[in-house]
Amino acid sequence: QKEVEQNSGPLSVPEGAIASLNCTYSDRGSQSFFWYRQYSGKSPELIMFIYSNGDKEDGRFTAQLNKASQYVSLLIRDSQPSDSATYLCAVSTNDYKLSFGAGTTVTVRA
Amino acid sequence: DAGVIQSPRHEVTEMGQEVTLRCKPISGHDYLFWYRQTMMRGLELLIYFNNNVPIDDSGMPEDRFSAKMPNASFSTLKIQPSEPRDSAVYFCASSSRGQGAGNTIYFGEGSWLTVV
Repeated sequence: QKEVEQNSGPLSVPEGAIASLNCTYSDRGSQSFFWYRQYSGKSPELIMFIYSNGDKEDGRFTAQLNKASQYVSLLIRDSQPSDSATYLCAVSTNDYKLSFGAGTTVTVRA
Repeated sequence: DAGVIQSPRHEVTEMGQEVTLRCKPISGHDYLFWYRQTMMRGLELLIYFNNNVPIDDSGMPEDRFSAKMPNASFSTLKIQPSEPRDSAVYFCASSSRGQGAGNTIYFGEGSWLTVV
């Protein structure tokens, strides 16, 4: 079993819709959870991080964490063509190692 | 800040040659990471340093790979001899526990390596 699993997609949504991305992890000791966005040919860039159960909102992005069920999700509201990218879920324990999922490719149709 | 700086950005080399990738972390960051990204395996952690000391190199694929961090502002990842299966994007990243986002890491632009 992989440490971090994501649906590879592609996830295609119309402009203005909500894109929902899911991620599950295997290590119950995981403490920190991150979502990175990676445009084609570019490096990953941090979108959001979350440490506590519940929701965390930042602009059009909402991260949701459920440690009991070992999943973390990302919602993108009012999706824009510029949101078309691969979204990487990353999980770490206290030892500073980040384990990344394979990524979900999102395409926003204009 | 200039961000994490990597060089070279692109390299094409012949099998058997030595490859050296270079990285300058963000000033003040005390953690440095080397990642490799391929279509097949995604983003994999190869090794990371804390205060210039290698902490975990369990991701280094084999003895052909080595990494050093002689000082706080410079690190190298060396492959000798290189093989076609080493073709990938190699990312250097850095972080600081003192930042508000905890152990958020920031990536360089990557070094695109092709071994023919």
